[in-house]
Amino acid sequence: QKEVEQDPGPLSVPEGAIVSLNCTYSNSAFQYFMWYRQYSRKGPELLMYTYSSGNKEDGRFTAQVDKSSKYISLFIRDSQPSDSATYLCALHSSGTYKYIFGTGTRLKVLA
Amino acid sequence: GAVVSQHPSWVICKSGTSVKIECRSLDFQATTMFWYRQFPKQSLMLMATSNEGSKATYEQGVEKDKFLINHASLTLSTLTVTSAHPEDSSFYICSARSGEVGNSPLHFGNGTRLTVT
Repeated sequence: QKEVEQDPGPLSVPEGAIVSLNCTYSNSAFQYFMWYRQYSRKGPELLMYTYSSGNKEDGRFTAQVDKSSKYISLFIRDSQPSDSATYLCALHSSGTYKYIFGTGTRLKVLA
Repeated sequence: GAVVSQHPSWVICKSGTSVKIECRSLDFQATTMFWYRQFPKQSLMLMATSNEGSKATYEQGVEKDKFLINHASLTLSTLTVTSAHPEDSSFYICSARSGEVGNSPLHFGNGTRLTVT
């Protein structure tokens, strides 16, 4: 079983839609959760960083963590064509140096 | 804050030559930096962990003599691809952690696209 599972997509939505991106993980030791956005031929850009269950909001982005279900989500409200990118989830546990990345979900927002 | 600069953004070299890629943390000190390789439409593959003042830790299957890593200061790590071959053509990305272990996310450079002819 992979440490983290993420649907690769592609996911196509109309402009203005609410987008839901998800990852599941298997190791309950993970305590820190990140979402990155990566445009083609660019490095990943940090969008959200959380370490507790519940919701964290930043503008149009909301990160949700459910540690009991080992499930994390990123919601994008009022999606724009400029949100078209690959979104990567990442997990980390205290005391280790490794960060575990999902395979990424390709999102396309249609104008 | 937490900006990571990577240079060059793209490079073309001939087979058999060496290429150096630089990764700098601009506004924070990074005792640890990470080097990743990414193939088209695939996720990040960790190559090695670069530690300031000590030897890098390489992942299984990564040739340490081919991918030389030097982390000489708290703001600079370099990756040198030695005797490059066409199969080394890829997108290389560095990242750095801006705080203590388990207490900070990774920040990435914008990557280097290497093409070996």
